[in-house]
Amino acid sequence: GNSVTQMEGPVTLSEEAFLTINCTYTATGYPSLFWYVQYPGEGLQLLLKATKADDKGSNKGFEATYRKETTSFHLEKGSVQVSDSAVYFCALRRMDSSYKLIFGSGTRLLVRP
Amino acid sequence: NAGVTQTPKFQVLKTGQSMTLQCAQDMNHNSMYWYRQDPGMGLRLIYYSASEGTTDKGEVPNGYNVSRLNKREFSLRLESAAPSQTSVYFCASSDQDGPNYNEQFFGPGTRLTVL
Repeated sequence: GNSVTQMEGPVTLSEEAFLTINCTYTATGYPSLFWYVQYPGEGLQLLLKATKADDKGSNKGFEATYRKETTSFHLEKGSVQVSDSAVYFCALRRMDSSYKLIFGSGTRLLVRP
Repeated sequence: NAGVTQTPKFQVLKTGQSMTLQCAQDMNHNSMYWYRQDPGMGLRLIYYSASEGTTDKGEVPNGYNVSRLNKREFSLRLESAAPSQTSVYFCASSDQDGPNYNEQFFGPGTRLTVL
């Protein structure tokens, strides 16, 4: 079946540190992949996406590359800020007519000044 | 343009009580979804509506019913609340074509506690 596995958090970093949050997936075919971010007390917002192999999604300094050979979509940022503190969710979209998303369990990031 | 709105923001129920969570979107999206978010489990799909007039079960539909009232509104009903339904509930919507194809837009959530 379809599933998404994320590294467990919390991840605690100092400001300006390099961030990697690992995400791997299991799916039939070639799903679209997403990173969503949830700031405290808010709903989820799309951070970036990639729809085919080797695509790189990027937004707000975050990047993730769709790696078919390793079934991964790791999130990276070169220099995190305190304002990046949030919960990050990796997700895939099933390649059928349901348009449903399958989410990972989320990774909490805490950035200290 | 408010996006996806949900009411109420917070609710406390006693076991056995019923309530309806309301969701509306003003983006003219065809598809709408209800999720629940529990610690360490990410978001799990309760029900979804691919288009007006259709609804389907997601991963965790037991204890819930939904109504797609029109294209804008999609409500979630708990007929007899149980403590296991204590959670944060999110509504989302998406379009099936156009520049934002694939993206789901989320509401701010309803935090429900069942005592």
